[in-house]
Amino acid sequence: KAGVTQTPRYLIKTRGQQVTLSCSPISGHRSVSWYQQTPGQGLQFLFEYFSETQRNKGNFPGRFSGRQFSNSRSEMNVSTLELGDSALYLCASSWTDSQETQYFGPGTRLLVL
Amino acid sequence: LAKTTQPISMDSYEGQEVNITCSHNNIATNDYITWYQQFPSQGPRFIIQGYKTKVTNEVASLFIPADRKSSTLSLPRVSLSDTAVYYCLVGIPKAGAGSYQLTFGKGTKLSVIP
Repeated sequence: KAGVTQTPRYLIKTRGQQVTLSCSPISGHRSVSWYQQTPGQGLQFLFEYFSETQRNKGNFPGRFSGRQFSNSRSEMNVSTLELGDSALYLCASSWTDSQETQYFGPGTRLLVL
Repeated sequence: LAKTTQPISMDSYEGQEVNITCSHNNIATNDYITWYQQFPSQGPRFIIQGYKTKVTNEVASLFIPADRKSSTLSLPRVSLSDTAVYYCLVGIPKAGAGSYQLTFGKGTKLSVIP
């Protein structure tokens, strides 16, 4: 079956803009988690969604938000972009819980200029 | 401050057994310990998961002591294709929130030498 897909794969934005990233989980998976990966901070948990509800949230400012649709697809939004938001944003899906085996997508690489 | 700690890098010759340890001094009581492998330009890939004692699958073993303050990923007879970054993932309880924060270690870059 198809894996986790993320769009777009690459994105260039300027400071102050906002961006929306999309994630389609593996068919049947209802839990979607988002992570930010940077060379300095490594992999950091952003949030987890299950059945259209945010179930868990990491330590990121309110500029980072997300949502999940009834088909389990998820979007992540970052408003008022800062240079430090440049990172690889990874989406992962699992059947019902992020503590289960998570299947990661290839990520969206965001560059903020 | 609760955190996870892994060695930054390790080198190994082909065919050797590699053990990578992750220290996590305060993990959620009911949380699993999971290890992932990541190659450049790819998302992490699940290797193994455990709660306590020892777990083994077709690619690795995971050893977790009774106090669960650490875990050791064991890769038997590594090959060049095992060159990657390895991450541990645990849940760290949030203070006063009754929930947990999923926390990755900083990753261990394993280089397998011919």
